Amino acid sequence: NAGVTQTPKFRILKIGQSMTLQCAQDMNHNYMYWYRQDPGMGLKLIYYSVGAGITDKGEVPNGYNVSRSTTEDFPLRLELAAPSQTSVYFCASKGGREIETQYFGPGTRLLVL
Amino acid sequence: AQSVTQLGSHVSVSEGALVLLRCNYSSSVPPYLFWYVQYPNQGLQLLLKYTSAATLVKGINGFEAEFKKSETSFHLTKPSAHMSDAAEYFCAVNDPTNNDMRFGAGTRLTVKP
Repeated sequence: NAGVTQTPKFRILKIGQSMTLQCAQDMNHNYMYWYRQDPGMGLKLIYYSVGAGITDKGEVPNGYNVSRSTTEDFPLRLELAAPSQTSVYFCASKGGREIETQYFGPGTRLLVL
Repeated sequence: AQSVTQLGSHVSVSEGALVLLRCNYSSSVPPYLFWYVQYPNQGLQLLLKYTSAATLVKGINGFEAEFKKSETSFHLTKPSAHMSDAAEYFCAVNDPTNNDMRFGAGTRLTVKP
């Protein structure tokens, strides 16, 4: 199993540009999550999904959108990039026997200039 | 909502010394508690978790943590630090009845030779 994969690893965006951060998992997990990590702030939940077709807002959803058309994929969309969205983004998933444990991808580092 | 406080954003120990990373939580229901480790430029890796079974939990790499309900604490310890333990450590709390996992701000562990 590859676990949770994220692409790209690093991206520079100009203010106002849009992009999609990709996340995929091959563990057949129902739950998937997007977090952002800022220095000294820990991880903040952006959006999550409890299954295909079902998404919900987390703690810091403004400026982002998600979709979940399949169990495997959970892309995060930034429509109008702003400097405040410079961060490291982590995708996570959970499910199966260890329903309480989230497994994380390697992260996408985003710089908005 | 639940929350986590990690005391000390930066802890420095000598190689071979005791490692103690502090975590206090707040939760209105019996929580699930986690410690994750993050090495530079990587995602979060689960160290150990408490899910209402034994209060002393052993994890990978010689780490352990004890759930103390009376103190609302879940401190992480390791008897003897190794250089490879240098990383950032995150404590997290999850209400088992929902998908809301909250992370602490993180503690960066430095190990001196």
